[in-house]
Amino acid sequence: DAKTTQPPSMDCAEGRAANLPCNHSTISGNEYVYWYRQIHSQGPQYIIHGLKNNETNEMASLIITEDRKSSTLILPHATLRDTAVYYCIVRESKGYTGNQFYFGTGTSLTVIP
Amino acid sequence: DADVTQTPRNRITKTGKRIMLECSQTKGHDRMYWYRQDPGLGLRLIYYSFDVKDINKGEISDGYSVSRQAQAKFSLSLESAIPNQTALYFCATQLQTSNQPQHFGDGTRLSIL
Repeated sequence: DAKTTQPPSMDCAEGRAANLPCNHSTISGNEYVYWYRQIHSQGPQYIIHGLKNNETNEMASLIITEDRKSSTLILPHATLRDTAVYYCIVRESKGYTGNQFYFGTGTSLTVIP
Repeated sequence: DADVTQTPRNRITKTGKRIMLECSQTKGHDRMYWYRQDPGLGLRLIYYSFDVKDINKGEISDGYSVSRQAQAKFSLSLESAIPNQTALYFCATQLQTSNQPQHFGDGTRLSIL
């Protein structure tokens, strides 16, 4: 699985968009990009995933660059409840390999009132 | 994810004791996983199962065993607990299609004295 690089921490004002970057320069053609978040010591919460195209759901948008070497998770209107550690994971979808989701250290997002 | 239930939520026990952690799910997913998380670190895969009675070792299986007797249940056992198994344990489920996200329970906080 490709390695990902995220900034260790970020702040965002409440009500503003939070843009969380992730670099995955060694990503291969059949690897998906997943985003999760973890609030305190709760279980990781799935946010969104994509392969090539930009994706949007009720929680967030995922923007993947054309060369797929980086992506950005966008929380359009951050609230205090969005304060969490956000993980970007790149994972291959192929048979019995890629079973593990490799959670690194992620980005600690603090939403400021 | 409310459809993935872990019991107990907290457990304190002594070195040498046998401990079982339970995971049950109502998502109808075939695949189930056990991870552990240590403070400041990412999640590490212990065991995973793709179907009833299918068992596969993950990254750190030594000292652990699992059982998958029904689709909805996946239990993790520590046969003789030791202090360095003190951690946060998460169960996850996944649809059979490999590119689908994993969905996590809220975890079991295990302390071994």
